[in-house]
Amino acid sequence: DAGVTQSPTHLIKTRGQHVTLRCSPISGHKSVSWYQQVLGQGPQFIFQYYEKEERGRGNFPDRFSARQFPNYSSELNVNALLLGDSALYLCASSPTPLGQGAGYTFGSGTRLTVV
Amino acid sequence: RKEVEQDPGPFNVPEGATVAFNCTYSNSASQSFFWYRQDCRKEPKLLMSVYSSGNEDGRFTAQLNRASQYISLLIRDSKLSDSATYLCAVNMMEYGNKLVFGAGTILRVKS
Repeated sequence: DAGVTQSPTHLIKTRGQHVTLRCSPISGHKSVSWYQQVLGQGPQFIFQYYEKEERGRGNFPDRFSARQFPNYSSELNVNALLLGDSALYLCASSPTPLGQGAGYTFGSGTRLTVV
Repeated sequence: RKEVEQDPGPFNVPEGATVAFNCTYSNSASQSFFWYRQDCRKEPKLLMSVYSSGNEDGRFTAQLNRASQYISLLIRDSKLSDSATYLCAVNMMEYGNKLVFGAGTILRVKS
């Protein structure tokens, strides 16, 4: 069984550019959450989508947006990149929004560097 | 007050030692609790869910104290391979649904 797949694995962008990160959840999982993790900190919640609807939003600026497609895959978009957006972006998959029992399963992440 | 707080450590322990981590959370309505393990530059991986009655998985024991709003993780007979960052995660229903992580506790097991 395929786990959570994220693409690309690494990315280098210039300040002011935009970026699109992609995630495919585990087959049968309908909930996708996005997290940002900077070095030395825990993952910070950005968005959660369930059944193609936004179910939760973290304290991130409007430059961050996301969507979920009918096949439950998801995209995270970041506009007007800042140096501070450099981080590991993690996608988490779960059958339900609360992740009861099984918790969330993470992809290996996209490491974004903004220069 | 942070939503989820952990002692960052590092905890430096010898092989075979028993070590315990605590994690406090701010929202008394939280329902789901987890411990994750994260190796350097890798994604977090679920170690165990935490149930109200406490639960054990081999050398690992997790407990929940709702009255004091904390969860704990106990590792017995530490192995070198247990060296990692341990993240606690708690669900929060404010501003929609989200799973909030602590900053992690670093464990270093030495021979």
